[in-house]
Amino acid sequence: GNSVTQMEGPVTLSEEAFLTINCTYTATGYPSLFWYVQYPGEGLQLLLKATKADDKGSNKGFEATYRKETTSFHLEKGSVQVSDSAVYFCASYTGNQFYFGTGTSLTVIP
Amino acid sequence: NAGVTQTPKFQVLKTGQSMTLQCAQDMNHEYMSWYRQDPGMGLRLIHYSVGAGITDQGEVPNGYNVSRSTTEDFPLRLLSAAPSQTSVYFCASSIRSGPRSPEAFFGQGTRLTVV
Repeated sequence: GNSVTQMEGPVTLSEEAFLTINCTYTATGYPSLFWYVQYPGEGLQLLLKATKADDKGSNKGFEATYRKETTSFHLEKGSVQVSDSAVYFCASYTGNQFYFGTGTSLTVIP
Repeated sequence: NAGVTQTPKFQVLKTGQSMTLQCAQDMNHEYMSWYRQDPGMGLRLIHYSVGAGITDQGEVPNGYNVSRSTTEDFPLRLLSAAPSQTSVYFCASSIRSGPRSPEAFFGQGTRLTVV
């Protein structure tokens, strides 16, 4: 079947620390992969995406690479800021449906 | 740019009441969907539509109805509210430009409490 598994939270980091949030997927087809971010009280916003193997999505200093061999799409940022505090969702899209992970809450402290 | 608009933002219902959550998009997107977000469970698909007049069930459709009479609107109806339907509901839309790279646009969410 289709599913997405991402790292449990919450994650608390100091400003300028390195961030990794792990995400793996299972899919019957060849999915597109996404990271969405949800700020408090708001809906989800697309952060980055990748549509084929070895593609790297990037935005606002965040990066994730589509790894078909490990079925992974880990989110990374070299130096987090307080404004990055949010919930991050990994998602796949295949067969007319999105499949979301459970979300990882990130808090960045000054 | 309005994008995806959901109303209301907050709602409290009594058990057994019915109501409709509204969702409208102004981007001429073919694909629209409803999700519920519960703690520790991420977003789960309730119903979706690939175009006007076409709807289908998602992962958790029981207790909900949808219809798609226009491209713009995709209301979600709770037939007889139950406490288990307390959740945050998100509507999303996307272009069906192909199987690989649709970007989903989300509304701000409706926080529903059933007492």
